[in-house]
Amino acid sequence: GAGVSQSPSNKVTEKGKDVELRCDPISGHTALYWYRQSLGQGLEFLIYFQGNSAPDKSGLPSDRFSAERTGGSVSTLTIQRTQQEDSAVYLCASSLGQGRGGYTFGSGTRLTVV
Amino acid sequence: QQQVKQSPQSLIVQKGGISIINCAYENTAFDYFPWYQQFPGKGPALLIAIRPDVSEKKEGRFTISFNKSAKQFSLHIMDSQPGDSATYFCAASNSNNNDMRFGAGTRLTVKP
Repeated sequence: GAGVSQSPSNKVTEKGKDVELRCDPISGHTALYWYRQSLGQGLEFLIYFQGNSAPDKSGLPSDRFSAERTGGSVSTLTIQRTQQEDSAVYLCASSLGQGRGGYTFGSGTRLTVV
Repeated sequence: QQQVKQSPQSLIVQKGGISIINCAYENTAFDYFPWYQQFPGKGPALLIAIRPDVSEKKEGRFTISFNKSAKQFSLHIMDSQPGDSATYFCAASNSNNNDMRFGAGTRLTVKP
């Protein structure tokens, strides 16, 4: 596609439920990133995929968070047993990788845990 | 560890004025310095970027000034317009590992 697509755009879930957030990167972009942005805050790095290499999971805040990238394209971020502090906008970005240019971000998924 | 420090946190400028946002970095391996613009409800969008082989890059009303020795770079918005009101993020990355670090953001408000 022309841009990075994220779904759903909004998600309201009950505390304790699991959620899955989806990201469709730009075709041909080998690198994919997940960030979290709390209200009025900066960008918190979560996880990074580059080609077939093992992902950099150093930013995941707890073991309730996991992500996978199937076939080097679509990625899913899963949050298990959601907590109220997980409420945030989850942003996905993709790039050509290896420092070749900047990131292209999706519009994000706004997650609200009630 | 915050590798990119951005200031100010918020900025109010009158229409037609100059908006200046500053960033400082620590890692001398960084070699790519982009600025992103984010409107409410949208993801950040690449605005302008610079590499350390030049000291300034201008695109329309937007200019990046880069000081390699001081490890600082700044965004200047000339003739600021209300439509420029957004949050701006500076960032820095190393081409070898594509690990990009973001500043904390600056919320710019341009008053008509």
